[in-house]
Amino acid sequence: DAGVTQSPTHLIKTRGQQVTLRCSPKSGHDTVSWYQQALGQGPQFIFQYYEEEERQRGNFPDRFSGHQFPNYSSELNVNALLLGDSALYLCASSLTGNSYEQYFGPGTRLTVT
Amino acid sequence: QQQVKQSPQSLIVQKGGISIINCAYENTAFDYFPWYQQFPGKGPALLIAIRPDVSEKKEGRFTISFNKSAKQFSLHIMDSQPGDSATYFCAAGRGSTLGRLYFGRGTQLTVWP
Repeated sequence: DAGVTQSPTHLIKTRGQQVTLRCSPKSGHDTVSWYQQALGQGPQFIFQYYEEEERQRGNFPDRFSGHQFPNYSSELNVNALLLGDSALYLCASSLTGNSYEQYFGPGTRLTVT
Repeated sequence: QQQVKQSPQSLIVQKGGISIINCAYENTAFDYFPWYQQFPGKGPALLIAIRPDVSEKKEGRFTISFNKSAKQFSLHIMDSQPGDSATYFCAAGRGSTLGRLYFGRGTQLTVWP
């Protein structure tokens, strides 16, 4: 049973560029949440997707957007990258009806130079 | 504003000892309290979780103690082992936010052999 997978593992981008991160949820899960984890901090909620729609959103600017596909996989897009966007981006999957029980992937380490 | 406050920031325990990590929250609407374990370069892994209708939950060497009136909860790791050395995060969620988790800032635990 595959767990949550994310790609790529690491990414280096230049300020102002755009980036797309990908996530495949744990088998059987239909809800995907994205979190940003700055170095030495706890994860911060970005948004959550269910049935291909953004169901709720944290305090992140519109530069952060996402998408969920019919197979429940998801993408996180960040436009106009800032140095402060450098972080570990985590995807967590869960099953609607038990959305709290979230299982995290290994994350994508984004470095903006 | 940090919704969940976690202490201590770091903890050093001898092998076989008890590790105790504490968290406090203000929002009485929170109704789910998980603990996550994170190793360097990995995503957080769900360890154990509790709901406010019980005061304690035990799974193996890990125990959550919950004090609803004090709005505090803690993780106890019995017979701590070097393999338990990791960063631990407490979190909280509430039903109206459909699975959004608010994380503490983490505790770096080191268990000396």
